[in-house]
Amino acid sequence: AQSVTQLDSQVPVFEEAPVELRCNYSSSVSVYLFWYVQYPNQGLQLLLKYLSGSTLVKGINGFEAEFNKSQTSFHLRKPSVHISDTAEYFCAVTMNTGNQFYFGTGTSLTVIP
Amino acid sequence: ETGVTQTPRHLVMGMTNKKSLKCEQHLGHNAMYWYKQSAKKPLELMFVYSLEERVENNSVPSRFSPECPNSSHLFLHLHTLQPEDSALYLCASSQGVTGTEAFFGQGTRLTVV
Repeated sequence: AQSVTQLDSQVPVFEEAPVELRCNYSSSVSVYLFWYVQYPNQGLQLLLKYLSGSTLVKGINGFEAEFNKSQTSFHLRKPSVHISDTAEYFCAVTMNTGNQFYFGTGTSLTVIP
Repeated sequence: ETGVTQTPRHLVMGMTNKKSLKCEQHLGHNAMYWYKQSAKKPLELMFVYSLEERVENNSVPSRFSPECPNSSHLFLHLHTLQPEDSALYLCASSQGVTGTEAFFGQGTRLTVV
């Protein structure tokens, strides 16, 4: 069975500081990995995804994530956050044999002025 | 405009009512999904329609009934709901090919009174 763990439910960070949101997964087969962002009263929007190739992937809004197969992790990072980055962030996986997505519980990022 | 449109955005219904949620996608995708989003819980996959074949989460109560008349439209029929069914219901679509991301609608905020 597949599962996704986001260890931090809430992350407060000051404006212009760096941030890392953690994501670990478990799966018995190869997976594809995604990060989504959800602003208040909105649906989920794709930030970035890892399918294959370079383990460092860059996404929208200055975010990037690194796939680490040995640690089964896909942590999201941004070197300098803005107030507008305040939102809920979800890590997700899908297997290479299907199209069902499995999501973590989300991390609420609050950027403090 | 995300390409996935959900109506209504908000719905309040009594436990004896019957209502339906509607989802429409304009992306040419061939897989559509219903997710339930409750506070502090992972997104729960309720139903998947892929190439007109339905895959469902066996833990979803029968008071939720999906309908997918074609690849662009998806409904969730609701009847005799419980207060614990109050949540944000998200519709998503994808190309149905492994490794492709899901695109989400803005959701329907359902309150059962």
